[in-house]
Amino acid sequence: DAKTTQPTSMDCAEGRAANLPCNHSTISGNEYVYWYRQIHSQGPQYIIHGLKNNETNEMASLIITEDRKSSTLILPHATLRDTAVYYCIVTSGGTSYGKLTFGQGTILTVHP
Amino acid sequence: GAGVSQSPRYKVTKRGQDVALRCDPISGHVSLYWYRQALGQGPEFLTYFNYEAQQDKSGLPNDRFSAERPEGSISTLTIQRTEQRDSAMYRCASSLGLGGLDQPQHFGDGTRLSIL
Repeated sequence: DAKTTQPTSMDCAEGRAANLPCNHSTISGNEYVYWYRQIHSQGPQYIIHGLKNNETNEMASLIITEDRKSSTLILPHATLRDTAVYYCIVTSGGTSYGKLTFGQGTILTVHP
Repeated sequence: GAGVSQSPRYKVTKRGQDVALRCDPISGHVSLYWYRQALGQGPEFLTYFNYEAQQDKSGLPNDRFSAERPEGSISTLTIQRTEQRDSAMYRCASSLGLGGLDQPQHFGDGTRLSIL
């Protein structure tokens, strides 16, 4: 499985963009980058995913570098409700097709 | 639409008892996953199904843990002879496609299991 490295914690002011980085230098050609977040004890919430192109949806944007060794999740206008643990995950292939391996994630705190 | 539904939300039982945790995936979702989450940690993969077939059970901790999905919809995770170390949040997720890399998983709110 390709491993990911994320900062342990980040802060962001409400209304500002939150840029969460992730390194995945061992990613292979057919592996996707996924972002999930978890608020308190709720189940993980899917945010966005991508292969090599940048992606945008109603929640966030995902910027993947050309060499695919790193990516950034962008929350364009963070709100207090975006305070959560954010997980960057590279999906594995082979017999564990689609299995998610969660790391420690980044604790994002949005403050007023 | 309805999301992934798990029951019970909370389960407290005595050591040595068997427990069965239920997961009802999003309607039409082919793949179903079980994860376990300890306090302060991310979810940890247990097993997954495509339709009724169990594709990967490499994450099940030992043979006291088993899972089934007999009709390709609802799944049950069973823990026999529970031990205190089994206490955790058990989460279920489902995805539309066949466990593919391009298919997001959608999680339920989990079952909090406490073994006394």
